[in-house]
Amino acid sequence: DSGVTQTPKHLITATGQRVTLRCSPRSGDLSVYWYQQSLDQGLQFLIQYYNGEERAKGNILERFSAQQFPDLHSELNLSSLELGDSALYFCASSVALGGRNSGANVLTFGAGSRLTVL
Amino acid sequence: GQQVMQIPQYQHVQEGEDFTTYCNSSTTLSNIQWYKQRPGGHPVFLIQLVKSGEVKKQKRLTFQFGEAKKNSSLHITATQTTDVGTYFCAGGNTGTASKLTFGTGTRLQVTL
Repeated sequence: DSGVTQTPKHLITATGQRVTLRCSPRSGDLSVYWYQQSLDQGLQFLIQYYNGEERAKGNILERFSAQQFPDLHSELNLSSLELGDSALYFCASSVALGGRNSGANVLTFGAGSRLTVL
Repeated sequence: GQQVMQIPQYQHVQEGEDFTTYCNSSTTLSNIQWYKQRPGGHPVFLIQLVKSGEVKKQKRLTFQFGEAKKNSSLHITATQTTDVGTYFCAGGNTGTASKLTFGTGTRLQVTL
């Protein structure tokens, strides 16, 4: 157990639907990251939050949105789902001490949420 | 934007053989991290390199950060079946954001 909790583990839904993936970071970590990993592919960075504030954005589609709540858990909302959105979605957290220019931090990943869009 | 490429994409070795994966960034990095993802698992942090030319060892694994801080390598001596998985490098940049850019990954298969 890495300390990063993701729910649900598996999710099967239909095209056009909307889903929410949830992540609780490791205790003490203030920063949350979302990554998408398609079958046998690399890790595509989606978005990062630090202490409730959006900090960096990657190749996140407009149909996707995320937020980090005051208790530091984060949710990734995926809407108008398409077949190509089927993937493993990882949440990761880091301590992220320091200011905006503190540089990269070590990530602790959750077990992932596997989304299948039919 | 920044790109981080890894070669090879895939390597199949026999147990006992050595293995090396190379990581190349299109921009100068502030640091590089390495992660391992076992089949069906999630990425797990292995190590972070910060200094130009830095070399670090973890048992049979040797990590190196290039002098120009644009490339890195991971070498495994005498592979074991427990080394199976995908190895990712991840480049960090200082600046207005602290996101890591993950490399494309190298999948290692080890057979007896």
